[in-house]
Amino acid sequence: EPEVTQTPSHQVTQMGQEVILRCVPISNHLYFYWYRQILGQKVEFLVSFYNNEISEKSEIFDDQFSVERPDGSNFTLKIRSTKLEDSAMYFCASSIPSGGGGVKDTQYFGPGTRLTVL
Amino acid sequence: KNEVEQSPQNLTAQEGEFITINCSYSVGISALHWLQQHPGGGIVSLFMLSSGKKKHGRLIATINIQEKHSSLHITASHPRDSAVYICAVRGGADGLTFGKGTHLIIQP
Repeated sequence: EPEVTQTPSHQVTQMGQEVILRCVPISNHLYFYWYRQILGQKVEFLVSFYNNEISEKSEIFDDQFSVERPDGSNFTLKIRSTKLEDSAMYFCASSIPSGGGGVKDTQYFGPGTRLTVL
Repeated sequence: KNEVEQSPQNLTAQEGEFITINCSYSVGISALHWLQQHPGGGIVSLFMLSSGKKKHGRLIATINIQEKHSSLHITASHPRDSAVYICAVRGGADGLTFGKGTHLIIQP
């Protein structure tokens, strides 16, 4: 069964450094998402991406974050200058929309990247 | 902004018991998801509902749109069902709004 993959599984970085988290969505999916989960807290939506542009972003997704689909398979989240509070599990997800503009389909999640900022 | 509340927060049960986890939300939605998160952190989608009821194996999910409430049931529970079960809703926007999750432990 196709699945969303993420690399690396764990990233340790120093405060102020740039990190890039990588995701390979399911190949025929059209919508891509990033979520984060700070330890002990609920999962939070960061951004959605469709047709090579940001479709929606939350208030968390400020100027230090960016997303890109550099080729036909990868979907990346870049954090420009990491802060201690960026330490979290970051999940990528993808989905394919139902026809007719109705309810979008199930989102399939990757295994996550645990980011630790020291 | 949608508020998603789950109950109970924690649930410990014996193997074989029938389990019910509840989710309520404050604003009308287009879809509700039930997700499972294992101790390693990975998230698996169990169901997406916009009305009625869905069944997959020992799992049953129901939703009442008028009452803004959904339930996830597990029949004949097993220790391997131990996980965090998360309810997440979608309104008119793309991103999901998540509940805090229900920590389920099934003891042999």
